[in-house]
Amino acid sequence: AQKITQTQPGMFVQEKEAVTLDCTYDTSDQSYGLFWYKQPSSGEMIFLIYQGSYDEQNATEGRYSLNFQKARKSANLVISASQLGDSAMYFCAMREGYNTDKLIFGTGTRLQVFP
Amino acid sequence: DTAVSQTPKYLVTQMGNDKSIKCEQNLGHDTMYWYKQDSKKFLKIMFSYNNKELIINETVPNRFSPKSPDKAHLNLHINSLELGDSAVYFCASSREGVSETQYFGPGTRLLVL
Repeated sequence: AQKITQTQPGMFVQEKEAVTLDCTYDTSDQSYGLFWYKQPSSGEMIFLIYQGSYDEQNATEGRYSLNFQKARKSANLVISASQLGDSAMYFCAMREGYNTDKLIFGTGTRLQVFP
Repeated sequence: DTAVSQTPKYLVTQMGNDKSIKCEQNLGHDTMYWYKQDSKKFLKIMFSYNNKELIINETVPNRFSPKSPDKAHLNLHINSLELGDSAVYFCASSREGVSETQYFGPGTRLLVL
């Protein structure tokens, strides 16, 4: 079974609009961390935002926020006021408490921002 | 200052050759990783090392051998390269713990001809 599922292979959004990238996860661990990374066309992996399983508040980092719904096991990334430079692949990933030595990645969502 | 660096950035080689990719981190992290990103962009863990000790070997062929001379370095040596080894290889590092972010190097694009 997939541990991290990103159901949107591609998304389009107009500049200055908000966009939500979906991520659901599967774990039986109580302690886990959820991460989002951005991979622009240049190829590097850029850390965006982190949400811990015990965090009561949704994480925010500038224009990025994480809509964390624990009961539904979802951790959607919300990008507000999209910019052309936001065009990239976005990966959701999980680090489980019982095995913290790896990140498990989803298949990614390619976001295209158009003017 | 580069946090996690990898060399080379590009590597083009013939099938059957042996090659190495070097990784260094200056973040003071205890744990280092190698990930492989395939042509469909899927990222998968290959190895993790904690304080020079191998923690994870994720069913990687034994042609791949990681080596950690110290906790700031984790190199990847690949013997007898095959066409299917063509991919982007990322090194990463982090502190221990479920909440700790892994920081990635720029990636090494390996093409086996």
